[in-house]
Amino acid sequence: SQTIHQWPATLVQPVGSPLSLECTVEGTSNPNLYWYRQAAGRGLQLLFYSVGIGQISSEVPQNLSASRPQDRQFILSSKKLLLSDSGFYLCAWRVHLSYEQYFGPGTRLTVT
Amino acid sequence: RKEVEQDPGPFNVPEGATVAFNCTYSNSASQSFFWYRQDCRKEPKLLMSVYSSGNEDGRFTAQLNRASQYISLLIRDSKLSDSATYLCVVNMGAGNMLTFGGGTRLMVKP
Repeated sequence: SQTIHQWPATLVQPVGSPLSLECTVEGTSNPNLYWYRQAAGRGLQLLFYSVGIGQISSEVPQNLSASRPQDRQFILSSKKLLLSDSGFYLCAWRVHLSYEQYFGPGTRLTVT
Repeated sequence: RKEVEQDPGPFNVPEGATVAFNCTYSNSASQSFFWYRQDCRKEPKLLMSVYSSGNEDGRFTAQLNRASQYISLLIRDSKLSDSATYLCVVNMGAGNMLTFGGGTRLMVKP
């Protein structure tokens, strides 16, 4: 069966510091991968998605970037965090031939 | 107008009650529809897909009305463990992207 991992689970970072969040998927190959952010009390906002290694599409302009160095690894990064980057970051993968997406446990980021 | 709109609630219901949520979507070309459940401070989890003919999974029934562009979720015999936020999710027909509603919060009381 497929599983998706994210780490760290929680993170507190000062404004201006860098960020690296990692997501890995097991049990499937060539998945579509997604990064979402959920601000406190808000809905999910799609940040990036990837259909393959090195292929990244950005949905929202911001100071975040994403990379996919391996088939089942998706990384979210920032060079300098802003207060507004605080939120719950969720990685998801999609089943082929279906629109259903499955989420990892998420990383709760607080920028202070 | 939001692309996927839900009443945020909260819906406060007693155990055993029947409760229904509606969700409207703006794009008539939307092709796939889902309900996800999100517990507090946890990731969303797929509850059920919504098919044109309607579908049922135990106490949960989902319906799709394409003409009026809404989907519904009915929960019968509510349990305390049903307390969560229910997210309406739509594939708007553009690629493989999903659009999430803001969620409806349900609180089931003893």
